[in-house]
Amino acid sequence: DQQVKQNSPSLSVQEGRISILNCDYTNSMFDYFLWYKKYPAEGPTFLISISSIKDKNEDGRFTVFLNKSAKHLSLHIVPSQPGDSAVYFCAASAPGANSKLTFGKGITLSVRP
Amino acid sequence: GAGVSQSPSNKVTEKGKDVELRCDPISGHTALYWYRQSLGQGLEFLIYFQGNSAPDKSGLPSDRFSAERTGGSVSTLTIQRTQQEDSAVYLCASSYRTGRLNEKLFFGSGTQLSVL
Repeated sequence: DQQVKQNSPSLSVQEGRISILNCDYTNSMFDYFLWYKKYPAEGPTFLISISSIKDKNEDGRFTVFLNKSAKHLSLHIVPSQPGDSAVYFCAASAPGANSKLTFGKGITLSVRP
Repeated sequence: GAGVSQSPSNKVTEKGKDVELRCDPISGHTALYWYRQSLGQGLEFLIYFQGNSAPDKSGLPSDRFSAERTGGSVSTLTIQRTQQEDSAVYLCASSYRTGRLNEKLFFGSGTQLSVL
């Protein structure tokens, strides 16, 4: 049972425009959410995170929005750049001393020059 | 090196053979995780170590899979009697585990395992 869902497998955006990557979750215990970015033949790298006490977190061109009632979060990239082309994974964790990250299947973002 | 190191980067094996995958975490990181990514799938949790102990092994798919960590550092993931469905990229990650809400996992580049 997928607890973290990224229902769109891919997204193509023109350079300079906004990229919006969506993520839904089913486990109401999740209270910490992260986005990771992955280039081919490399491991995922941390991008941005948000805890459930917030509804928005911004870091440069990247903003994550959290809607707890809808169990939905989104990553906005503005403006999108060709170097942003990668696979983006949404991840979540629940409280607990030995909590682990549960990942979605990822979204492949292509930014066209 | 400064990052998480995994070896080998690629492994091709025959069905039924045993394989060992190695992970060198970032120095000082107490937590170590193994994930795998099968084709078209997300990152699937396998096992988590805190120091040398494994509080959570819930993701290991079968008893053919085992892992150990020695000296609070290097970890080895062993797959016995490999099957074709074991083919995947096996990713290792480590973190300081100083506080859950500040925790970030640092991943290695993975081992691409192909079982023929």
